[in-house]
Amino acid sequence: QVQLVQSGAEVKKPGASVKVSCMASGYIFTTYTIHWVRQAPGQRLEWMGGINAGNGDTRYSQKFQGRVTITSDTSASTAYMEMGSLRSDDTALYYCTRGGGIDWGQGTLVTVSS
Amino acid sequence: DVVMTQSPLSLPVTLGQPASISCGSNQSLVYSDGNTYLNWIQQRPGQSPRRLIYKVSNRDSRVPDRFSGSGSGTDFKLKISRVEAEDVGVYYCMQGTHWPYTFGQGTKLEIK
Repeated sequence: QVQLVQSGAEVKKPGASVKVSCMASGYIFTTYTIHWVRQAPGQRLEWMGGINAGNGDTRYSQKFQGRVTITSDTSASTAYMEMGSLRSDDTALYYCTRGGGIDWGQGTLVTVSS
Repeated sequence: DVVMTQSPLSLPVTLGQPASISCGSNQSLVYSDGNTYLNWIQQRPGQSPRRLIYKVSNRDSRVPDRFSGSGSGTDFKLKISRVEAEDVGVYYCMQGTHWPYTFGQGTKLEIK
């Protein structure tokens, strides 16, 4: 069955960068987009951006444009989300999801604290 | 960004009774291909989100048939015909028509 397995929790200082991975299995990686969604404490789910795993095209929410980079490694069936200039309000659970929310990873908690 | 608004935000329901959640958008969700990309997402306590319904009314595999979706344009509804204990959690509507995709605030379903 389809699985999206994300990397483990991260603790970062303000101003630092974080890179979260999402390893896919159970389907042909290049036939679907992978998107990233975050959930800050007490907030609604928020769509950040996505990548077409077949051709590498990316699209970002304007809110995250310039601060987030989404990439993929087709040989490893893995997508990555890197966020820079971290702030305390970036503390959240970060999820990868296949297509329009078809399947979801287990989430990666990123904590930004001095 | 398209604003998605759900009601109610809290939904206490007796086991075995029906439940209904409404979702509205401030723009039509009909895409240029004629499809309406409105999904319903369930998030049980401590779990990842899970898609229940896609394109307004299509149930995902392994989703019980007590869940149904309806609506068109800017107004949508999720119905649970008979609530079971495993249905406890937060339900989100989500639009995938306009970029960036956006979610409603979430409706917390609890058992009375």
